[in-house]
Amino acid sequence: NAGVTQTPKFQVLKTGQSMTLQCAQDMNHEYMSWYRQDPGMGLRLIHYSVGAGITDQGEVPNGYNVSRSTTEDFPLRLLSAAPSQTSVYFCASSSGVIYEQYFGPGTRLTVT
Amino acid sequence: GDSVTQMEGPVTLSEEAFLTINCTYTATGYPSLFWYVQYPGEGLQLLLKATKADDKGSNKGFEATYRKETTSFHLEKGSVQVSDSAVYFCALLSASGGGADGLTFGKGTHLIIQP
Repeated sequence: NAGVTQTPKFQVLKTGQSMTLQCAQDMNHEYMSWYRQDPGMGLRLIHYSVGAGITDQGEVPNGYNVSRSTTEDFPLRLLSAAPSQTSVYFCASSSGVIYEQYFGPGTRLTVT
Repeated sequence: GDSVTQMEGPVTLSEEAFLTINCTYTATGYPSLFWYVQYPGEGLQLLLKATKADDKGSNKGFEATYRKETTSFHLEKGSVQVSDSAVYFCALLSASGGGADGLTFGKGTHLIIQP
């Protein structure tokens, strides 16, 4: 059972480039979410989804897009990377909004 | 809005020492409370949780009690080991909005256990 997987593990981008962070889960979870982790800030919610075809914004959504075409996948797109988006990104999933969230291993992104 | 405040580290202890990491929260209603642990280079793992007042969550020798009167959820362990070295996050899940807006995290406490 792979749980929540994320790719890539590390990425370096130049300012203005775009990319997609991949997230997949094999637990048939309806709820998925993206967080960013910055030093001294804890984790902050970027976007979340309560099921296929349904997404919504979290606390810090600017500069990011998401879509949820399948239950398994929840990619996060950076449209035009900025140095302020340098962070560690975590994807999480759960069987419902009130249940335990399972986190992926994270993607460390550096924007120069 | 909701918020979580926890002691910031690093907290350095000797093996077999008693551990307390303080966590207090601000939220409307009755949130669910969690402690997550992050080992170096890994994602977060749920350590324990409590969903109502006076509940005690426990796991791997760690305990925390949901105290509504003091809005606290302090993490304790009687005898820490080197393998407990990690970053610990206190978090809440709001009762309003059905929890769809995700977890609210504290800033994390880096715990270092020396042999």
